[in-house]
Amino acid sequence: VQLVQSGAEVKKPGESLKISCQISGYRFIGYWLAWVRQMPGKDLEYMGIIFPEDSDTRYSPSFEGQVSFSVDTSISTAHLQWRSLKASDTAMYYCARAVGDTPYFDYWGQGTLVTVSS
Amino acid sequence: EIVLTQSPDTLSLSPGERATLSCRASQRVPGSYSAWYQQKPGQAPRLLIFGASSRATGIPDRFSGRGSGTDFTLTIRSLEPEDFAVYYCQQYGSSVTFGGGTKVEIK
Repeated sequence: VQLVQSGAEVKKPGESLKISCQISGYRFIGYWLAWVRQMPGKDLEYMGIIFPEDSDTRYSPSFEGQVSFSVDTSISTAHLQWRSLKASDTAMYYCARAVGDTPYFDYWGQGTLVTVSS
Repeated sequence: EIVLTQSPDTLSLSPGERATLSCRASQRVPGSYSAWYQQKPGQAPRLLIFGASSRATGIPDRFSGRGSGTDFTLTIRSLEPEDFAVYYCQQYGSSVTFGGGTKVEIK
């Protein structure tokens, strides 16, 4: 099982961004896929999950309306997207395979560092 | 939302010593659905324990978890050099929340 995330990004406030997480080694549509934020020097924060088979999406209340999740099942890839970045979005973002729809996370991507600065 | 409080913040121990990490929930965790992760600097978290006491694939048996209700514990029986890291607990009985982490450092 591998989750490989796209590379680090440096963006300005107000810009849009989509990062990706490509999976291999398991059936993509068979598991929920989660996103987890870790701000610099801080703790892990659960953002939500998406079920690739039908794109059923559940956002954590803190992230509802701030980000969007999507998948491309043809390339076993999940995406995390922002329409308008803020400086406070600066963080490491991890994708992780989620076990169940109220999940724990058994495999993790290496993380994508997003830096938002003017 | 269930708030998880981990203690201590930092644990200073020597290789070979036993580490006991605590995670207390603000309310009962349904099903005692809790997990523990290890995170080293510059790395993603790694799942150690799920279901309060089940070791994840490939995790050495020096790691053990126990607990139920509101109190959960991760024990590392005899610290190896590679075990010095930050450890997070998580509950998934009611949505998902993580604790604030315990850093296990070399004394």
